[in-house]
Amino acid sequence: DAGVIQSPRHEVTEMGQEVTLRCKPISGHNSLFWYRQTMMRGLELLIYFNNNVPIDDSGMPEDRFSAKMPNASFSTLKIQPSEPRDSAVYFCASSLSNLAPGELFFGEGSRLTVL
Amino acid sequence: AQSVTQPDIHITVSEGASLELRCNYSYGATPYLFWYVQSPGQGLQLLLKYFSGDTLVQGIKGFEAEFKRSQSSFNLRKPSVHWSDAAEYFCAVTGFQKLVFGTGTRLLVSP
Repeated sequence: DAGVIQSPRHEVTEMGQEVTLRCKPISGHNSLFWYRQTMMRGLELLIYFNNNVPIDDSGMPEDRFSAKMPNASFSTLKIQPSEPRDSAVYFCASSLSNLAPGELFFGEGSRLTVL
Repeated sequence: AQSVTQPDIHITVSEGASLELRCNYSYGATPYLFWYVQSPGQGLQLLLKYFSGDTLVQGIKGFEAEFKRSQSSFNLRKPSVHWSDAAEYFCAVTGFQKLVFGTGTRLLVSP
């Protein structure tokens, strides 16, 4: 069975450039989460969607970050313009939230380095 | 708001020895509690969960955890650690939708 698929696995970019991270959740899952992981701040929930609708984006750091989920099988996290402090590993996770709250399936992450 | 505290940043255990990782939570109602494991370069994987009922729950890879309401704790245990258990372990809590993670405990296994 395919798990959560994220791309790219690694991204190195320069400050000021636009970065787009992509996620394909597990088929049939109705919730999707974007997390950011850094040494300093640990795992932070950025935003989550339920049935493609953003439910809570209070963790999105600032207006430079945006996330979309145009359909049940695809989501993007965009950073524009990127800054060195955005360097982190970004994880996407999906779940069947109504049946199994908190049981998240994580992708392998996208490691972002902003120079 | 819910929160999770993992007081140990690093723990080193000898292979074959027992393990206990501590987790304390703060939540106003009966929480849903979880332990996740993260191997280097990988995403997180669910080890076990507690929703209700028996306070001792079994998970994958021989792990178990005990929910103690009086202590607001959900400690993870394993009777005999294997070298492959070296990883980072995260405790997490949710009311229904938003999963909040602790800061993690890195487990090192010595020969």
